[in-house]
Amino acid sequence: IAGITQAPTSQILAAGRRMTLRCTQDMRHNAMYWYRQDLGLGLRLIHYSNTAGTTGKGEVPDGYSVSRANTDDFPLTLASAVPSQTSVYFCASSDGTGTADTQYFGPGTRLTVL
Amino acid sequence: GQNIDQPTEMTATEGAIVQINCTYQTSGFNGLFWYQQHAGEAPTFLSYNVLDGLEEKGRFSSFLSRSKGYSYLLLKELQMKDSASYLCAVVDSNYQLIWGAGTKLIIKP
Repeated sequence: IAGITQAPTSQILAAGRRMTLRCTQDMRHNAMYWYRQDLGLGLRLIHYSNTAGTTGKGEVPDGYSVSRANTDDFPLTLASAVPSQTSVYFCASSDGTGTADTQYFGPGTRLTVL
Repeated sequence: GQNIDQPTEMTATEGAIVQINCTYQTSGFNGLFWYQQHAGEAPTFLSYNVLDGLEEKGRFSSFLSRSKGYSYLLLKELQMKDSASYLCAVVDSNYQLIWGAGTKLIIKP
């Protein structure tokens, strides 16, 4: 059982390019999340999904979009990357919806936008 | 606004005990998590407190006082592998996790 996988592991991207970060979980968790982690700051929620077919905006959603077509996959898209989106991106999942469930994290994607 | 405060960095000696504090001001409270994050890796779950008091789990214990908006993580018999960042996160009234910036713990031989 892999848990949560993310791809790519790292990426260098030119500003203005479109990029999709992939996230797949095999735990049949209902809820999934995308965070970014920057030095000196806590994890910041970008978007979340409480169940397949629904998504919601987190603390820092601008410049990002998500979709949740099925339970397992939750891709994050940067429509036109900017240097301020340089960060480490973590996908996470939890088995509940709207409850204080433990979140399990993927290994992260390190993204550099030049 | 919502705020989680933790010390930025702490240093301790192998075999010793260290206490990492977390204070919070959030809109509502539905529990507090502690996660461990080794450099370059994902956060992993350590503990969850929703009621006041101490929860012990092996070498790690976590304490919560809701009236004081305060928690601590206590690590005993420190090992070199405990060198990591420790993240405090509070579940607010909307059941969203509000994360602290983390405390980097350095263990010296």
